[in-house]
Amino acid sequence: EPEVTQTPSHQVTQMGQEVILRCVPISNHLYFYWYRQILGQKVEFLVSFYNNEISEKSEIFDDQFSVERPDGSNFTLKIRSTKLEDSAMYFCASSGLRSNEQFFGPGTRLTVL
Amino acid sequence: QKEVEQDPGPLSVPEGAIVSLNCTYSNSAFQYFMWYRQYSRKGPELLMYTYSSGNKEDGRFTAQVDKSSKYISLFIRDSQPSDSATYLCAMASGSRLTFGEGTQLTVNP
Repeated sequence: EPEVTQTPSHQVTQMGQEVILRCVPISNHLYFYWYRQILGQKVEFLVSFYNNEISEKSEIFDDQFSVERPDGSNFTLKIRSTKLEDSAMYFCASSGLRSNEQFFGPGTRLTVL
Repeated sequence: QKEVEQDPGPLSVPEGAIVSLNCTYSNSAFQYFMWYRQYSRKGPELLMYTYSSGNKEDGRFTAQVDKSSKYISLFIRDSQPSDSATYLCAMASGSRLTFGEGTQLTVNP
């Protein structure tokens, strides 16, 4: 069964450093998303991406964040200068024609020291 | 008022019990309703997807939506220890999902 994959599973970084989280969405999907979940809190929407551009973003997704689909298979989230409060699980998701029927990857745990 | 409210539990039931999980919402624009299961430190797994009022059944799971009351439920029949997880309701009007807090369920053998 096709699934969303994410790398790395755990990333540790120093405050102020740049990180890139990587995702391979399900191959025939059209919509791509990033969500985050701070430990003990609810899953929060960051951004949606369709047709090579951002279609929607939340107030969390400020200028420190960017997304890219550099080739036909990968989808990345870059955080330019990490802060302590960026520590969270980051989930990539993708969907087909029904944009809100979203399938999630296993997540990348980001720890900012 | 929160857009989506979900009782965080924890909920503990014996094996074989019927489990009822619930969410309420305040945003009338929500048209699509999902239930996800999340095991500890894993990604949410889509269990049920529906967009109309009424019931939708899939195996031991039944999703119920009442748009007039802004209330959704997930019923699990014949619950198993492997059902022990956190259950998240999620709702959407467009492509952005808004999640509930999650209800932690433990099914005891």
